Order: sequence, then structure tokens, then C-alpha cells
Amino acid sequence: NAGVTQTPKFQVLKTGQSMTLQCAQDMNHEYMSWYRQDPGMGLRLIHYSVGAGITDQGEVPNGYNVSRSTTEDFPLRLLSAAPSQTSVYFCASSILQGYGYTFGSGTRLTVV
Amino acid sequence: TQLLEQSPQFLSIQEGENLTVYCNSSSVFSSLQWYRQEPGEGPVLLVTVVTGGEVKKLKRLTFQFGDARKDSSLHITAAQPGDTGLYLCAGANQFYFGTGTSLTVIP
Repeated sequence: NAGVTQTPKFQVLKTGQSMTLQCAQDMNHEYMSWYRQDPGMGLRLIHYSVGAGITDQGEVPNGYNVSRSTTEDFPLRLLSAAPSQTSVYFCASSILQGYGYTFGSGTRLTVV
Repeated sequence: TQLLEQSPQFLSIQEGENLTVYCNSSSVFSSLQWYRQEPGEGPVLLVTVVTGGEVKKLKRLTFQFGDARKDSSLHITAAQPGDTGLYLCAGANQFYFGTGTSLTVIP
């Protein structure tokens, strides 16, 4: 099993550009989420989903959109990138909310 | 708002030493998770504690959940270089993570 797969691993964007960070899991997990990790700030929840068709905001949702059309995929969209969105982004999945997560290996995003 | 405070922030010890890291909050959590993260990788789940006062052991790692379910500790016995990494605690269905303890074990 591949677990949680994130693409791309690295990305450089110019301010104002848009892009989608991909996340796919092959474990039939219902719960998926996106975090960003910044030095000294720990992991902060951006958006999460408890199942296909259901999404909700986390602690830092501004500037990001998500959708969950299938159980397997949970893409994160940056509509107009800003330097403040420079970070490492992690996708995670769990069989149910409250159970331990399986994390992807991350996407390192730089916005210039 | 940082609901979970971890201490110490950095820890550098010699191989074979024992250590304890802490995760504290003013909030009560129904469960708390501990993760270890290595550079360039995502966090890996070590344990979930659910019951106040619960103690779980994972080889040389001992995890304890406080009686009031507001704090937790991780004790490592006879640390090895392979224990090097960032240790993170998480609560409230992993809505919140602590800022982590960066551990370096020197051979």
C-alpha cells in the first residue's frame, strides 16, 4: 500500500498564481485533513473532511479551498498565492475522526 | 491560540541517557496522540492515550496521560541515535498540535 501520496514534493509560485496540491490515499479512510507546518508554529489545521462530499474549516482556512468528490482524493487549492503561504503542507488521513493519522511526506511550497 | 505547550523545545543528549518531554494544556482532551517526525518526512503516529492516568509502553518509550486529561509525558529510556526527531503531541481529534520537542541523541 502506498498510504498517503502528496504531489508535488516541491513547488515555487509567484505571488498571485494559483495551484492545486494533490493528496490521495488508498486505505479507504473516511477522514482526511490538510495542515501547514511553519517554524515555531507547529502543525496548524487548514481544512478537513469527514467523508466524501463533506468539508469543514480548520484553524487557518483563509486563502485555501478544498473539495472531496471521492473517498480517495482531497486536493487543496490556493486561489491567489501570497508569500505568507510559504510553508510545508501535509495531508493526513484516518479511518475515523479521533483516530491516529497517517501523514503524507509533504509539499514544500515557496511563494515569491 | 496555542492550546498545547510542549517542553523543552530543544533537547540534546548523549546516547544511553534518559529523558522526559512534556505536553501541557489548560483544556481537557478526550484523547491525545504522540507523533515523531524526521526531517523531510511527515509525522508518524507513536501512540494514542485515552484514559486519565493511562500509561502505555512502546519498547523504550513510556507515555502517560495525566489524571485530569490535560497533560501528557513521554519518557525515553536509554536513548539511541535512532530516537532523534521532532516529537509532537496532538489533541482534540488532532485539531491542535503542539509546537514539538526537537530531540538530538549524540552517539
